[in-house]
Amino acid sequence: DAGITQSPRHKVTETGTPVTLRCHQTENHRYMYWYRQDPGHGLRLIHYSYGVKDTDKGEVSDGYSVSRSKTEDFLLTLESATSSQTSVYFCAISEPQGIWTEAFFGQGTRLTVV
Amino acid sequence: GNSVTQMEGPVTLSEEAFLTINCTYTATGYPSLFWYVQYPGEGLQLLLKATKADDKGSNKGFEATYRKETTSFHLEKGSVQVSDSAVYFCALSDQNAGGTSYGKLTFGQGTILTVHP
Repeated sequence: DAGITQSPRHKVTETGTPVTLRCHQTENHRYMYWYRQDPGHGLRLIHYSYGVKDTDKGEVSDGYSVSRSKTEDFLLTLESATSSQTSVYFCAISEPQGIWTEAFFGQGTRLTVV
Repeated sequence: GNSVTQMEGPVTLSEEAFLTINCTYTATGYPSLFWYVQYPGEGLQLLLKATKADDKGSNKGFEATYRKETTSFHLEKGSVQVSDSAVYFCALSDQNAGGTSYGKLTFGQGTILTVHP
């Protein structure tokens, strides 16, 4: 298994509070991603990083911010959690292999906003 | 933009039945195509891939062929097992031409497969 650790694995938080999810990798992969998984939507990209301090928005970035100060860590922050952000969050990593890239996924963080 | 459409689920089969999960896509250029599998309580794992037209990806008895003329990448298995019960996702990624795709994935909505003994 790829060395990806997400923390926490489960979290319940109140509406309006800030929340930070952490993704840590031991593979030294260049790219890192945050996806959210919701029924009927599959996985949707929130933000991604293509290097230390290099990040960009994905499809559903509103209400989220990210930071990557080290190769191995990618943080996702919900500035002020809302009930619509209740979801399962997956971190992924990848390293280009020619024309394609294989992504490896963490085990997910289940976040409930009450 | 890119999009992926999978057949509606859930799919329920008896052991040793034939499986097909349909997947069609919309993309510019020549994307790479993937099937990922998610077992209960786990993250996603790559099941198979195809990177150019007419390529056939295969793994663990599953197969899918990259059909550019029909923009499809249907997943098939000749004889399913109880252990194949999982959620299956079709996905695509722009190819790394010029190094700007960054491996971002666009997923279908997922298909829940349940196999009964």
